[in-house]
Amino acid sequence: EVQLLESGGGLVQPGGSLRLSCAASGFPFSNFAMSWVRQAPGKGLEWVSVINYSGGSTNYADSVKGRFTISRDSSEDTLYLQMSGLRAEDTAVYYCAKARSSGYFSYLDSWGQGTLVTVSS
Amino acid sequence: EIVLTQSPGTLSLSPGERATLSCRASQSVSGSSLAWYQQKPGQAPRLLIYGASSRATGIPDTFSGSGSGTDFTLTISRLEPEDFAVYYCQQYGTSPFTFGPGTKVDIE
Repeated sequence: EVQLLESGGGLVQPGGSLRLSCAASGFPFSNFAMSWVRQAPGKGLEWVSVINYSGGSTNYADSVKGRFTISRDSSEDTLYLQMSGLRAEDTAVYYCAKARSSGYFSYLDSWGQGTLVTVSS
Repeated sequence: EIVLTQSPGTLSLSPGERATLSCRASQSVSGSSLAWYQQKPGQAPRLLIYGASSRATGIPDTFSGSGSGTDFTLTISRLEPEDFAVYYCQQYGTSPFTFGPGTKVDIE
């Protein structure tokens, strides 16, 4: 059974940094692309970033480009999202999601339960 | 960026009724790379449909997807109590991989 467990969320001041982690299990992590998707309180889903199976290719939403960095450690079966220059509008639940393929042009077939990031002074 | 528009915003129906949800794209979705997700309050989204019309594993056949190009539809043939939720479409053919704003299906 695929399991994705996010951690690292919390309260951070505007301009601050935070690193989210997503521990994966139940599937061959190094074979699949992975994504981060966020959801602001009471709002819809927003795609944030994707990384291919090897970590050699990444892509970002314009809203986070230059501030967020996605990465993965296949020795630890863990996905990361390094967030810096955080803004109030980055406040959201951040979901880790598994792609169906190794490349990132794929739908998301499994999701974690999310971790809440709150950016406020 | 491909903008997805979902209609209606809210659909009020009774159990046993048929639900028809629309997702329209601002430009053609490459390779019918369109997925539908269901989200219930306090839960993560769940994949229902991919490739515009293929059901994900474990999804009942009361759910069906159709469409191509810029117009897509999710149909729930008979609403069960557990189907009342928010439904999102997402295109994954062109980066950024945008989501629609969602359609809430609630109990009339």
